[in-house]
Amino acid sequence: SQQGEEDPQALSIQEGENATMNCSYKTSINNLQWYRQNSGRGLVHLILIRSNEREKHSGRLRVTLDTSKKSSSLLITASRAADTASYFCATAGAPMYSGGGADGLTFGKGTHLIIQP
Amino acid sequence: NAGVTQTPKFQVLKTGQSMTLQCAQDMNHNSMYWYRQDPGMGLRLIYYSASEGTTDKGEVPNGYNVSRLNKREFSLRLESAAPSQTSVYFCASSAWTRIYEQYFGPGTRLTVT
Repeated sequence: SQQGEEDPQALSIQEGENATMNCSYKTSINNLQWYRQNSGRGLVHLILIRSNEREKHSGRLRVTLDTSKKSSSLLITASRAADTASYFCATAGAPMYSGGGADGLTFGKGTHLIIQP
Repeated sequence: NAGVTQTPKFQVLKTGQSMTLQCAQDMNHNSMYWYRQDPGMGLRLIYYSASEGTTDKGEVPNGYNVSRLNKREFSLRLESAAPSQTSVYFCASSAWTRIYEQYFGPGTRLTVT
């Protein structure tokens, strides 16, 4: 089952605007990670935030984590056409599913972001 | 460094055929993973190997087997392919389990007819 759920499923904004996407999860986590996937390509790691951290920055990216609400947000500032991609949150922690997998990540379904030029 | 490489990039199989997907990493990572991605879905973990010599099931292991050949290589085998296994398969590696970020290969697009 999917641990993380991103919201919205799709987002279209103008170049230069900020993009915000959210992720909710169900169980306690060790960390939460955000990945980007360009069409037809593999995933690229963007940022990792640990359960004892509340905010993290990397270039134009800002991630927040609220463990009491089991939610995270990814903010991309001053968006560019090259930011067009799908963005996934992934949680690392105790799995919900049977059969183990404790050391893997559990991904949400992603937010598809389109930056209009 | 090539990072994580996967072969083949594309494959078409008939129902009942078998094949092995190959994955290699050159980052000296301990942990390796196989995921599948279906349309409109996130990735789901099939199997993983926390370290050389160990493998464990993930969320969707049925119909698959894996081999951690050495520290660099982790293969995924479909013994008798089924149409439900049509998917894009991604291999990933990390320095050590889920507490570190993962690096992904480019994927193998598999179609089973």
